[in-house]
Amino acid sequence: DTEVTQTPKHLVMGMTNKKSLKCEQHMGHRAMYWYKQKAKKPPELMFVYSYEKLSINESVPSRFSPECPNSSLLNLHLHALQPEDSALYLCASSQDMRRPGNTEAFFGQGTRLTVV
Amino acid sequence: QQQVKQSPQSLIVQKGGISIINCAYENTAFDYFPWYQQFPGKGPALLIAIRPDVSEKKEGRFTISFNKSAKQFSLHIMDSQPGDSATYFCAARGQGAQKLVFGQGTRLTINP
Repeated sequence: DTEVTQTPKHLVMGMTNKKSLKCEQHMGHRAMYWYKQKAKKPPELMFVYSYEKLSINESVPSRFSPECPNSSLLNLHLHALQPEDSALYLCASSQDMRRPGNTEAFFGQGTRLTVV
Repeated sequence: QQQVKQSPQSLIVQKGGISIINCAYENTAFDYFPWYQQFPGKGPALLIAIRPDVSEKKEGRFTISFNKSAKQFSLHIMDSQPGDSATYFCAARGQGAQKLVFGQGTRLTINP
């Protein structure tokens, strides 16, 4: 099973709403990632969790709050978003890339988020 | 120095032709160079990857050519098919780093 599952696939939320994106993998990977992708642009790294601890935060605004409840799950909590936050949010997982030989990252299908 | 420059932005190739996408980098600490394929509304999927100790890697119709001295690498798609129409991203990662640096992407269209 090389699948990273993201829910929901589509989400429309108002600027005052609170919502969460969910990501799940069962490949035994110990690193999980959130990326944001705008149309016709490459994915931009937001957060990296390694062994359930936050290891990278790419200066993401606090209205995005990640959470890693266990090694298989990754959440992204959203609050008071702006219309410019509308994008495809991608989750990915991999073995610990800091170890030699661990390279491949598997991406989920993404959540298409629209902020109105 | 963290950038990966990808060209062209868009490419149109006739069915059966060869599609070529190029990437260049500056950071000599990069040691892993993957190519991702992304269809509309889907997440990127790893297509093929190479390390700098190899000058070429082939998987089916897809080949990566790597020129370490020029700090360039390219993706060649032989016998291109309409189903290959997608956006392709090159990327690079330093040893022990957790972050992939992506190129800007190439939108490939294969005309039937």
